[in-house]
Amino acid sequence: GAVVSQHPSRVICKSGTSVKIECRSLDFQATTMFWYRQFPKQSLMLMATSNEGSKATYEQGVEKDKFLINHASLTLSTLTVTSAHPEDSSFYICSARRTGGNSPLHFGNGTRLTVT
Amino acid sequence: AQSVTQPDIHITVSEGASLELRCNYSYGATPYLFWYVQSPGQGLQLLLKYFSGDTLVQGIKGFEAEFKRSQSSFNLRKPSVHWSDAAEYFCASLPYYGGSQGNLIFGKGTKLSVKP
Repeated sequence: GAVVSQHPSRVICKSGTSVKIECRSLDFQATTMFWYRQFPKQSLMLMATSNEGSKATYEQGVEKDKFLINHASLTLSTLTVTSAHPEDSSFYICSARRTGGNSPLHFGNGTRLTVT
Repeated sequence: AQSVTQPDIHITVSEGASLELRCNYSYGATPYLFWYVQSPGQGLQLLLKYFSGDTLVQGIKGFEAEFKRSQSSFNLRKPSVHWSDAAEYFCASLPYYGGSQGNLIFGKGTKLSVKP
């Protein structure tokens, strides 16, 4: 079945550095991918909708200059957390749906980011 | 490995009929539990969540869910379905290990179709 691969699954970085998270649809093309963040003991928060070949649509309150999203191909979207700070430590998860039709939504396994 | 199972891939109900979407989780202790809905082209929307306390949880749009520890279930219900409820529904589990938060785990989703 269709799979969404998210990499890395865990990353620890120092404050001030940048971290890139990849979300790949392994056997299907996805025009749209979604990026979410989960705060401790909270539900998911939609950060942005990533559209292939165009700018991402960010949700209100999400800093687009801090959370850079690039959807350069139909199978890859990346989220880069720039100049990370400890408060950016969180669980980030992507989801993708096959382009066209009413295909299921698939989730990556998530990335746990820890900023020290 | 921890998992969330939604046994029904696709359910069709008549408008005005009652609805129950099943969700089972595998985890020794009680995790945090969520139900999300995704309409076409939209991101996930939280319907309701269970952390502790009353096992019958009320959510938005007239949905409710009941946590049953003995059955490791967290089924979503609605007494009377509206055509606008047609969407994809995801159950998710957030386990805790000795006070540390694990990763959010999603079921594969149940697609709900509503007949007029």
